[in-house]
Amino acid sequence: GAVVSQHPSWVICKSGTSVKIECRSLDFQATTMFWYRQFPKQSLMLMATSNEGSKATYEQGVEKDKFLINHASLTLSTLTVTSAHPEDSSFYICSATKVDRPKNIQYFGAGTRLSVL
Amino acid sequence: SQQGEEDPQALSIQEGENATMNCSYKTSINNLQWYRQNSGRGLVHLILIRSNEREKHSGRLRVTLDTSKKSSSLLITASRAADTASYFCATDEGAQKLVFGQGTRLTINP
Repeated sequence: GAVVSQHPSWVICKSGTSVKIECRSLDFQATTMFWYRQFPKQSLMLMATSNEGSKATYEQGVEKDKFLINHASLTLSTLTVTSAHPEDSSFYICSATKVDRPKNIQYFGAGTRLSVL
Repeated sequence: SQQGEEDPQALSIQEGENATMNCSYKTSINNLQWYRQNSGRGLVHLILIRSNEREKHSGRLRVTLDTSKKSSSLLITASRAADTASYFCATDEGAQKLVFGQGTRLTINP
């Protein structure tokens, strides 16, 4: 199998606070992890690509100081939304690819719904 | 950037009928994948078709790929209520990233 666990599944926070979302590959080593944002009834928007031990690569228009990504091991990546504001409210989803082939199939977490008050 | 355009955006059919959804893309691809997303959940990989393949089957799923028209279709046969979900195509352009289409929201009515 290829199970990706994402935690928390739902978080409510006050404006100005920071929120950390964890993404773990439970039964495989992940070469790369991806962080997406999804608005209601819309597609996934890639925010950044994360490789273990190196800095994340952010997509154009995504503020790296706002969305901090840490990929400390082959099984864990975290996304921290710093100084969250209501406009950051969204559904955040992580995914991972496996070390062994096929490399470009992504295995997704269940997502985190962030509500900023 | 979103490359894939999916058609239709929403589809509602009766249980037992076949469901067909289409995806078009703009650039050359290495492969094309289809994913399914249940409401409020993550995506699940369904099937991958390589650029040198024209058709692929997996259970009740049938995927076609026409690289000359830059399009793909996903057919779900004998639909079930549990097939209700959003379906996304995703293209692999290299550099590990996938570009997802806008998705088709499929509703199967009992």
